[in-house]
Amino acid sequence: SAVISQKPSRDICQRGTSLTIQCQVDSQVTMMFWYRQQPGQSLTLIATANQGSEATYESGFVIDKFPISRPNLTFSTLTVSNMSPEDSSIYLCSVGQGSYGYTFGSGTRLTVV
Amino acid sequence: AQSVTQLDSQVPVFEEAPVELRCNYSSSVSVYLFWYVQYPNQGLQLLLKYLSGSTLVKGINGFEAEFNKSQTSFHLRKPSVHISDTAEYFCAVGNFGNEKLTFGTGTRLTIIP
Repeated sequence: SAVISQKPSRDICQRGTSLTIQCQVDSQVTMMFWYRQQPGQSLTLIATANQGSEATYESGFVIDKFPISRPNLTFSTLTVSNMSPEDSSIYLCSVGQGSYGYTFGSGTRLTVV
Repeated sequence: AQSVTQLDSQVPVFEEAPVELRCNYSSSVSVYLFWYVQYPNQGLQLLLKYLSGSTLVKGINGFEAEFNKSQTSFHLRKPSVHISDTAEYFCAVGNFGNEKLTFGTGTRLTIIP
């Protein structure tokens, strides 16, 4: 299965600023997924990123707040924009396809103060 | 639409005792199911998955799960737990043709020495 390198692993940010999270995969993958895990809660899918096309956002998430780039088949970034304390969460990227299974990055722990 | 219910948010178990973590799903089409484990301050690791075939699935670290279509369940079991099993466990469901996973709310397994 694919190996994902995600960074930063954690960060403390001031409200109103932005943070870009990077995910690098050791093989070419079609689909990459970005999740948010709020404190004590489950994973919620933010968006699906395919190379060469706009990301598809889930209900409740918008591109202005969470812009995503997917410049090639091994890399993607998620930006959390104009942060507020409510954005404090773990953000995870994932790759996979259906029944083949999914691999997750180690996550980015974001604290907004 | 698909959904997952993990009935127990927390399960305390004495070391070397058996454990069962419950997962029920809902879907109008054929599904595949996963159990993931999240150790403290880490990402998600795949424990096991069910795609088709034998309803008893064996995974890593001595865990197994049984798919029960009539009861729409996919409970996770281990005959004897260890301190190192302390973690959050997530059940997830996907369906063929839709690449998105839906996660349950998680069960925190605490092992009591």
